[in-house]
Amino acid sequence: GAGVSQSPRYKVAKRGQDVALRCDPISGHVSLFWYQQALGQGPEFLTYFQNEAQLDKSGLPSDRFFAERPEGSVSTLKIQRTQQEDSAVYLCASSWPDDRVIYEQFFGPGTRLTVL
Amino acid sequence: EDKVVQSPLSLVVHEGDTVTLNCSYEVTNFRSLLWYKQEKKAPTFLFMLTSSGIEKKSGRLSSILDKKELFSILNITATQTGDSAVYLCAVERADSNYQLIWGAGTKLIIKP
Repeated sequence: GAGVSQSPRYKVAKRGQDVALRCDPISGHVSLFWYQQALGQGPEFLTYFQNEAQLDKSGLPSDRFFAERPEGSVSTLKIQRTQQEDSAVYLCASSWPDDRVIYEQFFGPGTRLTVL
Repeated sequence: EDKVVQSPLSLVVHEGDTVTLNCSYEVTNFRSLLWYKQEKKAPTFLFMLTSSGIEKKSGRLSSILDKKELFSILNITATQTGDSAVYLCAVERADSNYQLIWGAGTKLIIKP
């Protein structure tokens, strides 16, 4: 496919369970972003990768959140010991290798996480 | 603290109407303002605005930025049901080449 894909599209987890969310960016896109979007809110930045390097993880809400992109392509966002407040849509976006990386981010469909 | 505020939060109009969505911002080191359309889940890019007074246009959509008054508007003319979506505004800071500050969005519903 030509776009950013994410899986799973929906995830229901019991409180305390670990989850892993996957993002496949557009081929050739160097930059990859993870966002958390609560209902009725705009996306909140979580973390940013340039190739395999995680250049900014300042938006990760706690040390239960961990993201990786070991080969500079697919990325995984892992949430350990999920809590109810983690329930949200998690969006992944990628963009071209440009010094204005923000110019146009292509978003995936998101993963809706519900923690019971 | 940087913030982006969109109004109204929601809007219901009839097909054929013209709508104006607002985005105001208080951001240090402003660089650009972006508009996105979010249907279902994935936001899609609409416009990027960097200069005051220059209208960006794409079909029935247009947008303009006022850097003095710190706001932007997104206009949609002759609305169609397919325009129903959440419209998100985000601001880029000049001292960050990747972080966006997002508004909460305006939910637009077009009734046939």
